[in-house]
Amino acid sequence: GAGVSQTPSNKVTEKGKYVELRCDPISGHTALYWYRQSLGQGPEFLIYFQGTGAADDSGLPNDRFFAVRPEGSVSTLKIQRTERGDSAVYLCASSLQGAKNIQYFGAGTRLSVL
Amino acid sequence: TQLLEQSPQFLSIQEGENLTVYCNSSSVFSSLQWYRQEPGEGPVLLVTVVTGGEVKKLKRLTFQFGDARKDSSLHITAAQPGDTGLYLCAGVETSGSRLTFGEGTQLTVNP
Repeated sequence: GAGVSQTPSNKVTEKGKYVELRCDPISGHTALYWYRQSLGQGPEFLIYFQGTGAADDSGLPNDRFFAVRPEGSVSTLKIQRTERGDSAVYLCASSLQGAKNIQYFGAGTRLSVL
Repeated sequence: TQLLEQSPQFLSIQEGENLTVYCNSSSVFSSLQWYRQEPGEGPVLLVTVVTGGEVKKLKRLTFQFGDARKDSSLHITAAQPGDTGLYLCAGVETSGSRLTFGEGTQLTVNP
């Protein structure tokens, strides 16, 4: 596709459930980023992939959060034992090489934990 | 962790007015970016400023990077309703590739 694609666009789950959020970056972009944006706030960095490996996962809030990018393209953000405080918009971005190049953002997945 | 503070958090003005949004940090960034975000969409890059003292213009928008590369401003001349949105500044850290975003300024331009 032409841009970064994120699915689903909305996800409603119950407290304690497991969720997976998918990001399909722009073709050829080697760098992929996950951010979390709470209502009325700016995006908060979670994790950065360069190719298949996580180059910086220091933004993941705790061990309930995990992300993979097994083939260096599509990435999945996984959240175990969801909590109401996990409710936010999860944004994915991709770029050609690191953040010195332009990061292109997807529209995000709005996660609601009831 | 480097932090960016934006002000004001909310701004509601009439069409035709001028406005300035500020982005301040106690730390130095290798560069600073400004984004605009509309409801239900991801942020879209407007500009990147790299050099201390740099000024860039994008139609009615003027972006300035402070001499010490710790602060930046966005000035909009003769605002229009189409300028309504969330404006975010983001610093590119010298040590890595993550973006550190400010809290954002929600701008509403009333016709």
